[in-house]
Amino acid sequence: GAVVSQHPSRVICKSGTSVKIECRSLDFQATTMFWYRQFPKQSLMLMATSNEGSKATYEQGVEKDKFLINHASLTLSTLTVTSAHPEDSSFYICSARGLGGWEQFFGPGTRLTVL
Amino acid sequence: GQNIDQPTEMTATEGAIVQINCTYQTSGFNGLFWYQQHAGEAPTFLSYNVLDGLEEKGRFSSFLSRSKGYSYLLLKELQMKDSASYLCAVRDSNYQLIWGAGTKLIIKP
Repeated sequence: GAVVSQHPSRVICKSGTSVKIECRSLDFQATTMFWYRQFPKQSLMLMATSNEGSKATYEQGVEKDKFLINHASLTLSTLTVTSAHPEDSSFYICSARGLGGWEQFFGPGTRLTVL
Repeated sequence: GQNIDQPTEMTATEGAIVQINCTYQTSGFNGLFWYQQHAGEAPTFLSYNVLDGLEEKGRFSSFLSRSKGYSYLLLKELQMKDSASYLCAVRDSNYQLIWGAGTKLIIKP
């Protein structure tokens, strides 16, 4: 299957700082990328969907000014958590889908801990 | 609203068979997915059903009944490494994946 990478895999930051997470599709062109958040013992929660070259579509309740998503190329999307707070500590997972594809390929996830 | 139901936790014995059920109510249906997720890791794809019936892939099989809004994942010859959470997800009319909360499967020797 297709490979999606995420960087970093783990990040610890101080409250009030911003953190950028990268998601890359390594061997295919990802026309659509999805960002999920998963709290312990809970299911995946879709935060936003982004299509290459377009603004991201955020799910209800997700602050677009806090979670900045950029999908500037067909192989890279970034999620920036601005002014992070302890309640933003979570497992962030991206997934990618190619043009006309039906399957989402998941990245390995990024564990964010905000102190 | 949209809803995916699956048991929170199941326990089974190594070498045995276990069936994990999933019922769904979504606005439209464009396929049902099963994913496996080990603790601290991202989900990995197991199966995809869009037509009624059974899809078999090695030790894992997945069944779908669209009229009943029901699916199950069948795991045979259980191994300790099968201990994980199993997520059921349905793609709705907008091609969005709606996720169940996952079933934590505990395998005992």
